[in-house]
Amino acid sequence: EAGVTQFPSHSVIEKGQTVTLRCDPISGHDNLYWYRRVMGKEIKFLLHFVKESKQDESGMPNNRFLAERTGGTYSTLKVQPAELEDSGVYFCASSQRTGSGDTQYFGPGTRLTVL
Amino acid sequence: GDSVTQMEGPVTLSEEAFLTINCTYTATGYPSLFWYVQYPGEGLQLLLKATKADDKGSNKGFEATYRKETTSFHLEKGSVQVSDSAVYFCARIRSNDYKLSFGAGTTVTVRA
Repeated sequence: EAGVTQFPSHSVIEKGQTVTLRCDPISGHDNLYWYRRVMGKEIKFLLHFVKESKQDESGMPNNRFLAERTGGTYSTLKVQPAELEDSGVYFCASSQRTGSGDTQYFGPGTRLTVL
Repeated sequence: GDSVTQMEGPVTLSEEAFLTINCTYTATGYPSLFWYVQYPGEGLQLLLKATKADDKGSNKGFEATYRKETTSFHLEKGSVQVSDSAVYFCARIRSNDYKLSFGAGTTVTVRA
């Protein structure tokens, strides 16, 4: 069974440009999460989808970030316009059910560098 | 709030040495506790978990015990290998919640 995949693995962009990150969860997983690790600090929660619905986007830093999950399959996270402080590693995770007892499976992450 | 504090790295060890990575957590919300590992070039993988006090999680020779009295979940391995070189993250999640709260990560390098 394929794991969580993310694309691209690395992205280097100029300040002010737009970048779109993609996440493909494990097939059959209704729950999809985005997390971010900035500057070697803690990995922090960004948002949570159940199928195509946003359940919680309390961790999104500001309105330059837009996440979508059309059709309840893959998800995209768009940053527009990118700023220097957006640099970091963006992780996607998926789980079959919602709840503390269900394991979240993580992808390899996308390393974003904003110059 | 929910927070996790783990020992800062980097940690460099020789093969067959004993490894301990300290982790403490805030006690709100009856959390489940986890250790995740990120090997070079790979994603985060769940290493082990414990869902209630005194539970011991174990996997690949690693162990961690959920200590409610000290709010700790220290990771240990008795004899490390070069292949254990990775970044280790301690994490917690409240019961009936879905947001993982992570520590800052500890980079471990094992030399042959």
